This record gives sequence, C-alpha cells and structure tokens, in this order.
Amino acid sequence: GQQVMQIPQYQHVQEGEDFTTYCNSSTTLSNIQWYKQRPGGHPVFLIQLVKSGEVKKQKRLTFQFGEAKKNSSLHITATQTTDVGTYFCVITGNQFYFGTGTSLTVIP
Amino acid sequence: EAQVTQNPRYLITVTGKKLTVTCSQNMNHEYMSWYRQDPGLGLRQIYYSMNVEVTDKGDVPEGYKVSRKEKRNFPLILESPSPNQTSLYFCASSFATPYSGSPDTQYFGPGTRLTVL
Repeated sequence: GQQVMQIPQYQHVQEGEDFTTYCNSSTTLSNIQWYKQRPGGHPVFLIQLVKSGEVKKQKRLTFQFGEAKKNSSLHITATQTTDVGTYFCVITGNQFYFGTGTSLTVIP
Repeated sequence: EAQVTQNPRYLITVTGKKLTVTCSQNMNHEYMSWYRQDPGLGLRQIYYSMNVEVTDKGDVPEGYKVSRKEKRNFPLILESPSPNQTSLYFCASSFATPYSGSPDTQYFGPGTRLTVL
C-alpha cells in the first residue's frame, strides 16, 4: 500500500511555543487530509488539501501542501494546552492511508 | 445527531472465542472501514466497504472478517481471536470513497479497546 512518512513522532513544547509536523511521500499525491486525535479519543477531521502549493488556515493552525504535492505540513502558532493530541496526515489511494502521527505535548 | 457508534467499547476475551464488534452510522454514508491502532504504527486499515455487499481487504486483514448487508452497519468479526489482535479498533464512515475526485471526511466511532488473553 501507499506510505507516508510523518515526523517528528513526538514533540514536547512549552505553552506559547510554535509546533510543526511534516508529512512526506515518495509519490505525487492527489490530496492530503489532516486529523487530530485527543488522548483517549477518536480521530477528528481537520482539513483537506488538494491544490499544489495550497495554504489553508484555521485560527492558529496553518496547513500547507507542497508545490510538487509530495509533502505537507501543519503548523500551530502559540500552542495552547487544548492543542494536546496526536496529529495524523492521511493520503488516499484505493483506501485511506494514515501517517504514523505526531504526538504533541504542551507543557503549561 | 450524525454519528458512528461502536459496541462494545471495551472487551476482554480469551484466545479462540469468537467475537463481533458492531458498527453503525446514521449518515447514509456509502464508504465504511475498520482500523486498528497500535502504538507507533498509526491507524492501519483492516477492511473497507464501498457499498452494500462490496468489501475489500485493507493492509492488515488476516484474522478478521466483515460483512455489509445493510448500508448503515459494518460489523467486524474475529472468528478465533489471538493475543496479537489486542488493539484499539475504530470504525469510520464517509460519504465519498477515497479515490473519488474529492475524498470525503471520515467520521470515526469512539473506538473499541480489545484485549485477547
């Protein structure tokens, strides 16, 4: 199946610091989705990117899709304790393929 | 309320004892799937279904069965559970299939934590 590499696996930040997670694929992607899973919860859809070079913002979250459509990033500005959780990128082929996720811990 | 429900939420069983985890969605979604989540491995797709009576294997189908007799239900069956199937299981549904022109949001159930002794 298709694979997408996601880094870092873990990230600890002080509250107020920024955070970025990256997803990389060896093949050109048609689209990429991002999900967030709170501790003890289930994945929740955040956004979908389709166009080359696309940038979308949701309050303090900025999502980017690379020009070559082989990579994507999620950047959180000024993290808050509510941002704690694991962030997954998801690519699609004949099924959905999840990255391994980045677990974010925010230290108050 | 639009939702995906799973039952049971927690299950402890013994090796070889057949079990079924139910999944139901009330959004009239065509696409449904089952995932297992293990530490460090993310979510891996077990089986998926594009519509009634249409099911396909995902990345880790060994030891699992599914059926899609009705659009809203997609049960996961473990005929003879083994300890390596101890995991957190999620059911998900979406309106559109992944390889449609614009794959849709997946809605996830709350999860079923299974322990096989």
